[in-house]
Amino acid sequence: ETGVTQSPTHLIKTRGQQVTLRCSSQSGHNTVSWYQQALGQGPQFIFQYYREEENGRGNFPPRFSGLQFPNYSSELNVNALELDDSALYLCASSLEVSGDDPWISSYNEQFFGPGTRLTVL
Amino acid sequence: AQSVTQPDIHITVSEGASLELRCNYSYGATPYLFWYVQSPGQGLQLLLKYFSGDTLVQGIKGFEAEFKRSQSSFNLRKPSVHWSDAAEYFCAVVTILTGGGNKLTFGTGTQLKVEL
Repeated sequence: ETGVTQSPTHLIKTRGQQVTLRCSSQSGHNTVSWYQQALGQGPQFIFQYYREEENGRGNFPPRFSGLQFPNYSSELNVNALELDDSALYLCASSLEVSGDDPWISSYNEQFFGPGTRLTVL
Repeated sequence: AQSVTQPDIHITVSEGASLELRCNYSYGATPYLFWYVQSPGQGLQLLLKYFSGDTLVQGIKGFEAEFKRSQSSFNLRKPSVHWSDAAEYFCAVVTILTGGGNKLTFGTGTQLKVEL
């Protein structure tokens, strides 16, 4: 158990609808990343939030958006759902700290939640 | 861009046999490499990581991996597989983001089946 929780566990939506997925970070973590894992594939990076601001984004359209709250919990919102959005959505939290060596201090282990399985019909 | 390749989609081994899962990376400098395991319905659990130093890395659950720069590989090994090791295994590499954060780039995974 990593201390990262996600809700809901499963979700079924129809094409064109909107969905919000939630993530509660591990205590003390200030950074959250979201990944999409399609069936039979490895997770793909969607975006990362640090101190409530988007810190980097993968190759996903703008209809994928996110929020990070002051308590470091997070939401992933997907608008205008498409069939290909069916996937397991994983969030991961980490503690990002600054340091003298930007390379060494720029990576801190990401702890993954159990995921939300989204099915789009 | 950094990437990892896992050539084997499925591997079947007998319980008690040794295991080696392959991972090849593409990165000019010394990469940060990871192996994760995912059981059905579960999130990703970190098995081990390589940042620098000793090229043989020990992880949890009896797993180890060896970083070989000459072969651009980071293969995962276990001397004796247990039935509970059946799961999907992902190799991953860190990419630093422009904004200063980082992301993990995963391979497509290797599904391990253990025969009793």
